[in-house]
Amino acid sequence: DIQMTQSPSSLSASVGDRVTITCRASQSISRYLNWYQLKPGKAPKLLIYTASSLQSGVPSRFSGSGSGTDFTLTISSLQPDDFATYYCQQSYTTLLFTFGGGTKVEIK
Amino acid sequence: EVQLVESGGGLVQPGRSLRLSCAASGFTFDDCGMHWVRQAPGKGLEWVSGISWNSGGKGYADIVKGRFTISRDNAKNSVFLQMDSLRLDDTALYYCVKERGSEGSGWLDSWGQGTQVTVSS
Repeated sequence: DIQMTQSPSSLSASVGDRVTITCRASQSISRYLNWYQLKPGKAPKLLIYTASSLQSGVPSRFSGSGSGTDFTLTISSLQPDDFATYYCQQSYTTLLFTFGGGTKVEIK
Repeated sequence: EVQLVESGGGLVQPGRSLRLSCAASGFTFDDCGMHWVRQAPGKGLEWVSGISWNSGGKGYADIVKGRFTISRDNAKNSVFLQMDSLRLDDTALYYCVKERGSEGSGWLDSWGQGTQVTVSS
C-alpha cells in the first residue's frame, strides 16, 4: 500500500503568515493527490484536487503543487478561519486510498 | 445540493455486527463512486472502503478486510457498510463520502456529517 507522510504534524502561525505543508508519497502517484481541511465538529472539506486544482468555492489563498512523490499545500496569507487540521490523500490506487497523518495549524 | 445522511451507528460489544447506511440525494448517484472514511477519537482520517458506480469494484483498507463489506443500491440511492467482528479500535466517527468520479480513482468532494460507532464491552 502507498504510505503518505505529512510534515510538519503541527505548526503555529499568525494571521497573515504564509504557511506551507508538505506531503510525501512512498511511491510515485503522478498527480493523484488531494487536500482536505478538517475542523472540530464539521465534516471534512475538499480544498485541492489532482495536486493543484482549486475546488469550487475555496478561497484563492489556498494552492497546491507537486507531482510524483512530493507535494505541497500553501496558504498564502493565513486567515482566522484557516486554523484547522489539513490532510493529504492519494487516489492513485483505485479503490485503495490513503490519507496522510494530518497537519494541525494553530494560532501563534 | 448534495446531501449524504448516515445512519446505523451506535454502541456495540466487541465481536458483534453493525450495518451503516447512507442516503444520498442532490446528484446522480449511479454516476459516482462512494466511500466510507472514519476518524477515531484523537486520530486522523482513515479511508475504510470504497465502491465503484456499478458495484463492479470494491476496495477495503487492510485493517478491515475480511470483516467489513461495502454495498450499494442504486435504485434507492444508498450505500451501506456491513461491519462484522467489530473490535475496540473500530470505534470512530464514520463518514459517507461521494467521489467525483465513478471508478474509485477520483477525489472525495462531498461528505456526510458522520455516524458514531462505539465498540465497548
